[in-house]
Amino acid sequence: AQSVTQLDSHVSVSEGTPVLLRCNYSSSYSPSLFWYVQHPNKGLQLLLKYTSAATLVKGINGFEAEFKKSETSFHLTKPSAHMSDAAEYFCVVSDNYGGSQGNLIFGKGTKLSVKP
Amino acid sequence: EAGVAQSPRYKIIEKRQSVAFWCNPISGHATLYWYQQILGQGPKLLIQFQNNGVVDDSQLPKDRFSAERLKGVDSTLKIQPAKLEDSAVYLCASSLDWAEAYEQYFGPGTRLTVT
Repeated sequence: AQSVTQLDSHVSVSEGTPVLLRCNYSSSYSPSLFWYVQHPNKGLQLLLKYTSAATLVKGINGFEAEFKKSETSFHLTKPSAHMSDAAEYFCVVSDNYGGSQGNLIFGKGTKLSVKP
Repeated sequence: EAGVAQSPRYKIIEKRQSVAFWCNPISGHATLYWYQQILGQGPKLLIQFQNNGVVDDSQLPKDRFSAERLKGVDSTLKIQPAKLEDSAVYLCASSLDWAEAYEQYFGPGTRLTVT
């Protein structure tokens, strides 16, 4: 079965400093991986996705993630945090075979706090 | 374009009562999903529709949960009777089609509190 593990439940950074949110995945197949962001009282929004093309994926709002098969990781980074980045971030793997194609399996989330 | 709409946004009920949630997906989206997000966890898929047919309901507690998508557009999710552990945010999402290449768009969710 496919799964994702988000290694930190809470990350706190200062505005203007780099962001690193860690994610490891488990998959028997070639996975599709995503990062979603959830701001308070708003719907989940797709940040970026990896679907077996380039291993370095660029997303919205300056975020990017690198797929590393040897490490089974898909960490999310941003060079410089902004106050508006404060939110909950979910690493997601797609159950992309057979009848469950397209189903998303979410990690438990990492809450990002940004200090002024 | 208009996003995924859900109502109500908040609901408080007592255990053993029934409750229903409504979702209106983005126009033209064939696939509709219902997720349950318990506090402190990521969303978990409950049921997936392709047009008005069920694709996957393997994680839906069918003894108390039911869902329908009449005419392949709007959908309702019902819980009867509710238990304390059903307290969660219920998210609706839609996509153009069901393959993983298609982005899922999420609604704001309905926060259910069962007392």
